[in-house]
Amino acid sequence: GAGVSQTPSNKVTEKGKYVELRCDPISGHTALYWYRQSLGQGPEFLIYFQGTGAADDSGLPNDRFFAVRPEGSVSTLKIQRTERGDSAVYLCASSPQVGGPEETQYFGPGTRLLVL
Amino acid sequence: AQSVTQLGSHVSVSEGALVLLRCNYSSSVPPYLFWYVQYPNQGLQLLLKYTSAATLVKGINGFEAEFKKSETSFHLTKPSAHMSDAAEYFCAVSGDTGRRALTFGSGTRLQVQP
Repeated sequence: GAGVSQTPSNKVTEKGKYVELRCDPISGHTALYWYRQSLGQGPEFLIYFQGTGAADDSGLPNDRFFAVRPEGSVSTLKIQRTERGDSAVYLCASSPQVGGPEETQYFGPGTRLLVL
Repeated sequence: AQSVTQLGSHVSVSEGALVLLRCNYSSSVPPYLFWYVQYPNQGLQLLLKYTSAATLVKGINGFEAEFKKSETSFHLTKPSAHMSDAAEYFCAVSGDTGRRALTFGSGTRLQVQP
């Protein structure tokens, strides 16, 4: 079946602009996660959704970052007033079950964001 | 708070040699531990995971890892490296109270020499 998909695969923008990154999770997965991976680093957690609600947004770096999942499926990560330091690969993952030993997160290919 | 340390940002082995990638974790609760692999310009793929059922965990592509509580380690091994194993490997932990997200190490890049 189809895996997690993310669009666009690459995004180049100018400092100060607004960007939206989209994630389509695996069908039926209730949990959705966003991570950010800077060059040479492991992914860092940003936000996690259980259904439509953000269950944990403790990883969002500041209020320029916001994410939604209005219908409990597709999610959009929104970044306002982009800064050069926002340049990174943004990864989305989904999971069929929340918590416990059976939870496994399945990752998409990521969106590579470059802020000039 | 949970954390992961991967010793060695780069590891180089010869084809056919043993692969050993090191991971140490810190967690205030019994952890779930994961190894993911990332090929260039691709997303993360799960290799294996430990969820307390068995301390020796077998994964895909001939990889396995052993959970050692006394050493707080979860090292990844493969008896014989293949050229196709060249990639970035990430160890991750989850399970902290109320925390669903994975905490990743900084990764180890594996090179396989012919």
